[in-house]
Amino acid sequence: AQTVTQSQPEMSVQEAETVTLSCTYDTSESDYYLFWYKQPPSRQMILVIRQEAYKQQNATENRFSVNFQKAAKSFSLKISDSQLGDAAMYFCAYSYTGANSKLTFGKGITLSVRP
Amino acid sequence: DVKVTQSSRYLVKRTGEKVFLECVQDMDHENMFWYRQDPGLGLRLIYFSYDVKMKEKGDIPEGYSVSREKKERFSLILESASTNQTSMYLCASSWKAGELFFGEGSRLTVL
Repeated sequence: AQTVTQSQPEMSVQEAETVTLSCTYDTSESDYYLFWYKQPPSRQMILVIRQEAYKQQNATENRFSVNFQKAAKSFSLKISDSQLGDAAMYFCAYSYTGANSKLTFGKGITLSVRP
Repeated sequence: DVKVTQSSRYLVKRTGEKVFLECVQDMDHENMFWYRQDPGLGLRLIYFSYDVKMKEKGDIPEGYSVSREKKERFSLILESASTNQTSMYLCASSWKAGELFFGEGSRLTVL
């Protein structure tokens, strides 16, 4: 069975600084997707970034980028120039590429941003 | 924009009551999911559905059932609510494999 591990329950970052959130996963599949989701306080969960395992290039979305290490089964999220609006819970998730796949989530990390 | 709407943001029910949580999506997605979110446990999959009238058990189906009579609607049913089902319930939908689109969540308290 696939598992996703986020070992840090909480992190804090100074506004305008850079922070990296860690995630590891376990799978026997060779082709899969990895995701980072953001859940602001009392608000809807939204997708931050997505990585396809067959792509060697790390995904980037504006201030958000990932470090995808397939051999190490590691998928960290880097947030550059942190903003107060980045304060949220962040979930790492895994999905294989089958048509009827389902996402497996980590336990999440609470990120706070200090002004 | 994809919209996933959950019928109730907050519910308070009594032990033993039957509870219905409704979810509707407007993007003709094939797949729909019900997750439960608890502090320190992340999101755990209760049930999912790949098509109308199809359902599959997730990781924690005990005490729950689901119904998908129309493609856009996926209902979660608690036949006899118990206090350990107090939680945040999240509905999501997706097109085949990949990205999930979530509703705002339904926070259920069972007294």
